[in-house]
Amino acid sequence: GDSVTQMEGPVTLSEEAFLTINCTYTATGYPSLFWYVQYPGEGLQLLLKATKADDKGSNKGFEATYRKETTSFHLEKGSVQVSDSAVYFCALNPEGGTSYGKLTFGQGTILTVHP
Amino acid sequence: GAVVSQHPSRVICKSGTSVKIECRSLDFQATTMFWYRQFPKQSLMLMATSNEGSKATYEQGVEKDKFLINHASLTLSTLTVTSAHPEDSSFYICSAGGQTSLYEQYFGPGTRLTVT
Repeated sequence: GDSVTQMEGPVTLSEEAFLTINCTYTATGYPSLFWYVQYPGEGLQLLLKATKADDKGSNKGFEATYRKETTSFHLEKGSVQVSDSAVYFCALNPEGGTSYGKLTFGQGTILTVHP
Repeated sequence: GAVVSQHPSRVICKSGTSVKIECRSLDFQATTMFWYRQFPKQSLMLMATSNEGSKATYEQGVEKDKFLINHASLTLSTLTVTSAHPEDSSFYICSAGGQTSLYEQYFGPGTRLTVT
């Protein structure tokens, strides 16, 4: 079945540091890939997405590129802020069929940014 | 943007009782809603898919008689945990599919259930 593997956290960084959270996936065909963010006490919010190979999703300074050859969708940000402290989830939506819409999530990575 | 609410945000109940959790799409109609369970420091696990006006579809290993799902309207789905036990304590999250596509989903803030 489909699966998503994220780098284990927690990740602790100083403000303005560079961030990378690794994400790899196993799925058939070309799933859509997502990064969701969960701030303390809130629901998951879509951060960015990519639907096909070599697509780059970006939002709020975060970027991730859909790499079919390495089945990866690593999240990056050049300069993190304290307000970026949250839990980040990588997820995939199957290409189609009866499982379409059933998101598979990675285990989540806790990011803490210190001033 | 699309907003999904859940109620209650936290609930504590005694073992053997039943608890109902509501999931509402506030500003759009959701023909499909999803229920997830999240254990501490673990990922979200899909429990069931709820379609308005029809029976829910449960994932393998999820007891449908224990986790009753009702999707009576385009804006409301409910999850009832029946005869709750301490092992049912968890964080339950719902999401609602977009009005025209399941490509994007909008998540509720979650409900923390503690069974004593």
